[in-house]
Amino acid sequence: DVKVTQSSRYLVKRTGEKVFLECVQDMDHENMFWYRQDPGLGLRLIYFSYDVKMKEKGDIPEGYSVSREKKERFSLILESASTNQTSMYLCASSLVDRVYGYTFGSGTRLTVV
Amino acid sequence: QKEVEQNSGPLSVPEGAIASLNCTYSDRVSQSFFWYRQYSGKSPELIMSIYSNGDKEDGRFTAQLNKASQYVSLLIRDSQPSDSATYLCAVNSGQAGTALIFGKGTTLSVSS
Repeated sequence: DVKVTQSSRYLVKRTGEKVFLECVQDMDHENMFWYRQDPGLGLRLIYFSYDVKMKEKGDIPEGYSVSREKKERFSLILESASTNQTSMYLCASSLVDRVYGYTFGSGTRLTVV
Repeated sequence: QKEVEQNSGPLSVPEGAIASLNCTYSDRVSQSFFWYRQYSGKSPELIMSIYSNGDKEDGRFTAQLNKASQYVSLLIRDSQPSDSATYLCAVNSGQAGTALIFGKGTTLSVSS
């Protein structure tokens, strides 16, 4: 079964900490995405990548960075965590031909205290 | 700003009824359209995709697309309590290097 795996299901971090969220896919997909999901706001795109070492800003990149050193792995970095970054973070991947849609990981619920 | 609009609901239907979920999109050049189901606390799961005008059926689910009206819908026949979830509409703008645009979702509640 094809998979997108996010390293942590639940995470609690302190304000000001540097936080790494990891995502690995085993489908040889070219595209990878990071979203956050908050009640009433829906899915908001943070960053995406369509190739190794390539990245594109989404709608809400402020306070985040990403890294894609290998095709299968896409990391989201919170440079200095703040309480307004408490959210559900979802990673997704897709083929370069996006007609096949996305496959999502199980999500990481991050709480910043 | 490209947008995908859905009624937030909740949409309440009795068990066995047809549930009708609707979605409109703003970008006329959109090429592919998706419906995701998301249970509370879980991640979205792709349930239907549609690319051409008309209907596409898969089991109890039918997706309908009308590009002239920029309208996509999802019909769920013989609704079951297990169909209770939030349904997300997503649209591919067709521009290279862009991501899917998601609606905020419609919450469906099926009562037994």
